[in-house]
Amino acid sequence: AQKITQTQPGMFVQEKEAVTLDCTYDTSDPSYGLFWYKQPSSGEMIFLIYQGSYDQQNATEGRYSLNFQKARKSANLVISASQLGDSAMYFCAMREFDAGANNLFFGTGTRLTVIP
Amino acid sequence: DAGVIQSPRHEVTEMGQEVTLRCKPISGHNSLFWYRQTMMRGLELLIYFNNNVPIDDSGMPEDRFSAKMPNASFSTLKIQPSEPRDSAVYFCASRSLSGTGTSGSTLNTGELFFGEGSRLTVL
Repeated sequence: AQKITQTQPGMFVQEKEAVTLDCTYDTSDPSYGLFWYKQPSSGEMIFLIYQGSYDQQNATEGRYSLNFQKARKSANLVISASQLGDSAMYFCAMREFDAGANNLFFGTGTRLTVIP
Repeated sequence: DAGVIQSPRHEVTEMGQEVTLRCKPISGHNSLFWYRQTMMRGLELLIYFNNNVPIDDSGMPEDRFSAKMPNASFSTLKIQPSEPRDSAVYFCASRSLSGTGTSGSTLNTGELFFGEGSRLTVL
């Protein structure tokens, strides 16, 4: 089974609007972390935001927020006030802490296009 | 501060040739990862090292691929002989095994710091 599922291959959003990128995950480990990365056309992977499984509040970083719904195993990324520079691929990833695994499992990504 | 440094940024080679990709992790990071990114398969973990020791190489496609980390500041990923299906972007990433990530959580968040990637094209 896929550990990280991103069901939206592509999304469009009007500039200055908010957009939600979906991510669901699968783990039996009670201690895990969820990450979002941005990959612009230049190719680098940029860390955006982190949510721990025991964190009581949803993570926020500037215009990025993570809508963490633990019971549904979803960790959607919300980008508010979209900018043209937000056009990129966005990857959701997970690390399982108790399993002792040190790597991140990545989803297949969502390509976001911001329309002027 | 210097990030993860990869070289070469671009490599074009002919089938059958040996390819060596290089990575310098962030100073002080003691965990290093090699990922491969393709359109078909997305981001795949090939291998990772903790304290220069290979921990999990189950993602290495086949014997043509090998990776080494002779010291804390250098790692190589070698493909010999290369094949057209090896064409991909190869990312190196590093993180610290202890301490906090940039999110400031008391638990090591484990975020990875990626290099800019090496785009390999095998003709």
